[in-house]
Amino acid sequence: GENVEQHPSTLSVQEGDSAVIKCTYSDSASNYFPWYKQELGKGPQLIIDIRSNVGEKKDQRIAVTLNKTAKHFSLHITETQPEDSAVYFCAASTGSGGSNYKLTFGKGTLLTVNP
Amino acid sequence: SAVISQKPSRDICQRGTSLTIQCQVDSQVTMMFWYRQQPGQSLTLIATANQGSEATYESGFVIDKFPISRPNLTFSTLTVSNMSPEDSSIYLCSVGTDTFGSGTRLTVV
Repeated sequence: GENVEQHPSTLSVQEGDSAVIKCTYSDSASNYFPWYKQELGKGPQLIIDIRSNVGEKKDQRIAVTLNKTAKHFSLHITETQPEDSAVYFCAASTGSGGSNYKLTFGKGTLLTVNP
Repeated sequence: SAVISQKPSRDICQRGTSLTIQCQVDSQVTMMFWYRQQPGQSLTLIATANQGSEATYESGFVIDKFPISRPNLTFSTLTVSNMSPEDSSIYLCSVGTDTFGSGTRLTVV
């Protein structure tokens, strides 16, 4: 089955700096890679995703890059703010997103943005 | 995207008892997924619930311990049976990749 490795497990940055979280996956059939933000006491919230036919996707301060050959993908957050502090999870799926495909998650990164 | 209402949000239960967690979706969905998130850990898929058929369980999870019902396209329940302290976790349902319930924080004493 799929195995997703995520690094680092904790990341502390100063407000305004950039944060990068990296994930690798094992199943070459995986073609959908979402990222989630989980705040204390809440379920994961999808913040950005990328499909295997795209190398990079950006949404305001958040971007994701994908290297299918190397089987790794990364989350980039620029101009970090204290409200970005949360646990971030990467995941992989053999579906294209949506209703009918299960996810394999990385172990999570606790991001702390210091004012 | 869909909205999920998950109940209860938290519970403290005695060992040996069972707890049923409910998820109600505001639209019809084919599949629902149940995850476990142990303290400070990642999410692990327990099972996939397809309406009208038996749930499909992942390795390490069995129906006797985690029976699932899926009576219609908007509702599902997960029961944690004969609980032990090792079952203390957050349990979440989802409707695919973009919508999760808020989770049920279970503590077994």
